[in-house]
Amino acid sequence: AQSVTQLDSHVSVSEGTPVLLRCNYSSSYSPSLFWYVQHPNKGLQLLLKYTSAATLVKGINGFEAEFKKSETSFHLTKPSAHMSDAAEYFCVVSDFGSNSGYALNFGKGTSLLVTP
Amino acid sequence: NAGVTQTPKFQVLKTGQSMTLQCAQDMNHEYMSWYRQDPGMGLRLIHYSVGAGITDQGEVPNGYNVSRSTTEDFPLRLLSAAPSQTSVYFCASRLIAGANVLTFGAGSRLTVL
Repeated sequence: AQSVTQLDSHVSVSEGTPVLLRCNYSSSYSPSLFWYVQHPNKGLQLLLKYTSAATLVKGINGFEAEFKKSETSFHLTKPSAHMSDAAEYFCVVSDFGSNSGYALNFGKGTSLLVTP
Repeated sequence: NAGVTQTPKFQVLKTGQSMTLQCAQDMNHEYMSWYRQDPGMGLRLIHYSVGAGITDQGEVPNGYNVSRSTTEDFPLRLLSAAPSQTSVYFCASRLIAGANVLTFGAGSRLTVL
């Protein structure tokens, strides 16, 4: 069975400083991992995904994430935060290769606050 | 525009009432699912379907029914609403083959009094 833990429920950064949102996962198979973003009162939008290709994944809006199998982590980073990055971020894991791989498991979310 | 359409966007119910949240997609996706989102809980899977006539339970199925008579539609039914079902509901779909991403609807906010 797969699961995902987002280590911080809230992260606050100043505009122009780096962003780090942490995610650890557990999986019995080779997982696929995703980061989604949800702006207030909106649906979820895909930021990036990892599917066993390059371990450093680049996404939209300057975000990237690195898959580290030895650490079972998939942390999301951005070099310089923008006010428009303020949102809820979800780390998601799925074992597409397993019999139960149809379902995706969401972390509880990290709320990113960006201050001027 | 192609995508996932959810209706209604907002609904207020009284305890014990029934209702159906509608979800339709026009991308020919085999997989469709319903999630509920509650503060501090992330998104939890209610039910999912991998094709017409096939449905299965997710993490929190109690109090909800689904059916999948066509590829396009995946309605979620609340037979007797309870205050604990107050939540924001998201429908999402994707192609099954490969690690295809979920496409989400805009959400339906349900309040049960």
